[in-house]
Amino acid sequence: AQSVTQLGSHVSVSEGALVLLRCNYSSSVPPYLFWYVQYPNQGLQLLLKYTSAATLVKGINGFEAEFKKSETSFHLTKPSAHMSDAAEYFCAVSPGGYNKLIFGAGTRLAVHP
Amino acid sequence: GAGVSQSPSNKVTEKGKDVELRCDPISGHTALYWYRQSLGQGLEFLIYFQGNSAPDKSGLPSDRFSAERTGGSVSTLTIQRTQQEDSAVYLCASSARQGETDTQYFGPGTRLTVL
Repeated sequence: AQSVTQLGSHVSVSEGALVLLRCNYSSSVPPYLFWYVQYPNQGLQLLLKYTSAATLVKGINGFEAEFKKSETSFHLTKPSAHMSDAAEYFCAVSPGGYNKLIFGAGTRLAVHP
Repeated sequence: GAGVSQSPSNKVTEKGKDVELRCDPISGHTALYWYRQSLGQGLEFLIYFQGNSAPDKSGLPSDRFSAERTGGSVSTLTIQRTQQEDSAVYLCASSARQGETDTQYFGPGTRLTVL
């Protein structure tokens, strides 16, 4: 069965610092992987997705993620954090042949001045 | 263009009452999903509709939960005899096709509180 683990339920960084949010997956078939962001009282917005075309995926708002099969990881990074990046981030996997998303528990990112 | 809309945005009900939650997907999207977001369980898949095919109901937590999609567009999630553990944010999403890599676009959710 497919699953997603996000290490760290809360991450705090300074404005301008590197953002690194960790995601590891478990899948018996090649996975499709997604990062979503949720701002307070809003729905989820897609940041980026991995669909096997390229291992380094660039998304919106300066975020990117690298698919590493050997490490079963899909970590999300951004070189320089902005205050507006404060939100909850969810990693998700789409099991092969199905459309439902299986989400990780989420990581709440705080950005302080 | 218009995104996924959900109504009501908030619903407070008493234990034992039935509730209906509505989702209007993006026009032209053939696939529609319901998820539940709660403190204890995180984000969980509930049900998935694709065109005229039989829905995937594998995520519904009990037979008190049901959903329908009329005319391939609007969907209603119904919870009968609500319980306190049903309190959660119910999210609807739609995608243009049923491909497993297709982006799911989420609505703002309905926050359900069962007293």
